[in-house]
Amino acid sequence: TQLLEQSPQFLSIQEGENLTVYCNSSSVFSSLQWYRQEPGEGPVLLVTVVTGGEVKKLKRLTFQFGDARKDSSLHITAAQPGDTGLYLCAGATFGAGSYQLTFGKGTKLSVIP
Amino acid sequence: NAGVTQTPKFQVLKTGQSMTLQCAQDMNHNSMYWYRQDPGMGLRLIYYSASEGTTDKGEVPNGYNVSRLNKREFSLRLESAAPSQTSVYFCASSGTPQGEQYFGPGTRLTVT
Repeated sequence: TQLLEQSPQFLSIQEGENLTVYCNSSSVFSSLQWYRQEPGEGPVLLVTVVTGGEVKKLKRLTFQFGDARKDSSLHITAAQPGDTGLYLCAGATFGAGSYQLTFGKGTKLSVIP
Repeated sequence: NAGVTQTPKFQVLKTGQSMTLQCAQDMNHNSMYWYRQDPGMGLRLIYYSASEGTTDKGEVPNGYNVSRLNKREFSLRLESAAPSQTSVYFCASSGTPQGEQYFGPGTRLTVT
């Protein structure tokens, strides 16, 4: 069974602070995806990282894929209240004709104005 | 484009009742998925369908059945609901090169 350990589980910070969320596994994935989920809604894809060592930026969000393609991190610079939500990482593996995603349990982020 | 739609949005069942959750996507994706999301447990895969005409079990399939009606629609059926099936259910579809998934808004199910 593949597992993705996500940390921290909860994070409450002041507006303007920086933060990093970690996603670790002992398994290798073909890609690592990050989603954000707001209360009462489904997860929405933020980014996909595919190559070991890859770094992608989305405005104030920086995503990194580990060299061995087993772990990833999400760094938010100068957090805003609009960043509040549940952040989920998901590792993709291909089998039986389709990709399946293994999700971490999520990091619930609260940014206080 | 509506993306992925799910019905109903909310449902309350008594133990032993049955119901079907409906899901449809308009993105011409081949693969579709059903998840449940519980506090502290994350998203867990119930069943998936790699393409029209195929279905496979995920991590937590017991107590559920699925039907891939056509390329657009994938339904999830609870034959005899149990309180342990109280959860939020999400349908997703995928058709992109890296398997990114697009989720519906969810169905909040309570079994009493």
